[in-house]
Amino acid sequence: AQTVTQSQPEMSVQEAETVTLSCTYDTSESDYYLFWYKQPPSRQMILVIRQEAYKQQNATENRFSVNFQKAAKSFSLKISDSQLGDAAMYFCAYGTGTASKLTFGTGTRLQVTL
Amino acid sequence: NAGVTQTPKFRILKIGQSMTLQCTQDMNHNYMYWYRQDPGMGLKLIYYSVGAGITDKGEVPNGYNVSRSTTEDFPLRLELAAPSQTSVYFCASSYVAVQTQYFGPGTRLLVL
Repeated sequence: AQTVTQSQPEMSVQEAETVTLSCTYDTSESDYYLFWYKQPPSRQMILVIRQEAYKQQNATENRFSVNFQKAAKSFSLKISDSQLGDAAMYFCAYGTGTASKLTFGTGTRLQVTL
Repeated sequence: NAGVTQTPKFRILKIGQSMTLQCTQDMNHNYMYWYRQDPGMGLKLIYYSVGAGITDKGEVPNGYNVSRSTTEDFPLRLELAAPSQTSVYFCASSYVAVQTQYFGPGTRLLVL
């Protein structure tokens, strides 16, 4: 079974600084997808960024980028120029199979300070 | 588009009661999913559907049932509620398997 591990329960970053959230996963599949979801206090799950495993190029969405290391099974999220609105729980997720069922990590709570 | 909607937003159940959590999407998505999120944890898949009339179990299906009679609706049924089912329930949908899943706002369920 696939597993997703987020080893940082909590992280803190100052406004305008950069922070990196870690995620590792275990799989024997060669074709899969990786996601970062943000969950603010409202509990709404919001997609931040996604990465297809077959793509070597790291995905980027504005201030959010990933460092995808397929051989190491690592998928970290970098948030640049952090803003107060970035404060939330961040979940790493892995998807594969014909129904693309997602397996989630336990989350990292990001605090943004002034 | 309303996206994925869920009702109710919050519910308190007594042990042994039953209820149905409603989920509707207006994006014509084929794939729909039910997850539960326990406090301080990530989401775990309960059931999923790849189209009307087709459902399958996820990681934690015990105590739940689903049906998918239309593309739009994917209700989750809880029979004989237990305190262990206290959780936040999320419905999600995607157009095809490899696409991003879009989540509803969640239903918070408390079983006492």
